[in-house]
Amino acid sequence: GQNIDQPTEMTATEGAIVQINCTYQTSGFNGLFWYQQHAGEAPTFLSYNVLDGLEEKGRFSSFLSRSKGYSYLLLKELQMKDSASYLCAVRGGDYKLSFGAGTTVTVRA
Amino acid sequence: DGGITQSPKYLFRKEGQNVTLSCEQNLNHDAMYWYRQDPGQGLRLIYYSQIVNDFQKGDIAEGYSVSREKKESFPLTVTSAQKNPTAFYLCASSIELTGFDEQFFGPGTRLTVL
Repeated sequence: GQNIDQPTEMTATEGAIVQINCTYQTSGFNGLFWYQQHAGEAPTFLSYNVLDGLEEKGRFSSFLSRSKGYSYLLLKELQMKDSASYLCAVRGGDYKLSFGAGTTVTVRA
Repeated sequence: DGGITQSPKYLFRKEGQNVTLSCEQNLNHDAMYWYRQDPGQGLRLIYYSQIVNDFQKGDIAEGYSVSREKKESFPLTVTSAQKNPTAFYLCASSIELTGFDEQFFGPGTRLTVL
């Protein structure tokens, strides 16, 4: 089976940096995705990593270490609109996505 | 604009009734998916389809059924056999199952069974 772990909640101040960790154990690996989901809405794609290293996209960066089964999503210069749930999803050997339970980030003024 | 639509956004049904959730995409994607989201849990895959007239069970298919008669459409029926149907249902699509591209999600349908 697949096992994806990420913290349940994190709180940070506007303008600060937050790092959301994700560890995984899966049968095969074909990439790791991060999605943002505001309450009651659809998840939206943030980033994709399939090779080790850092992918940077504006204020958001994502890191992957396949040997450690570990990824993180880094959110810089936090804004109030970044308050949302962040989902870590791993594509296994069968190409299906397995999702973590999500990390709810609350940004305080 | 291309995208995925789901209807209705909110749905109420009595226990014991079957209900069908709609999912339509105009992205020309071959692969489509249905997920269920419950509080405190990750999205769980119900069914997926790689191509028209083909679909496969996901991790929690019991009590659900699907069809894929058109590329654009992938409706999900929640049957009376589903023991705990109240949940947020999300439909998604991608160019193909095995490609290295992301899944796009529809806005979701919140189903409440009374």
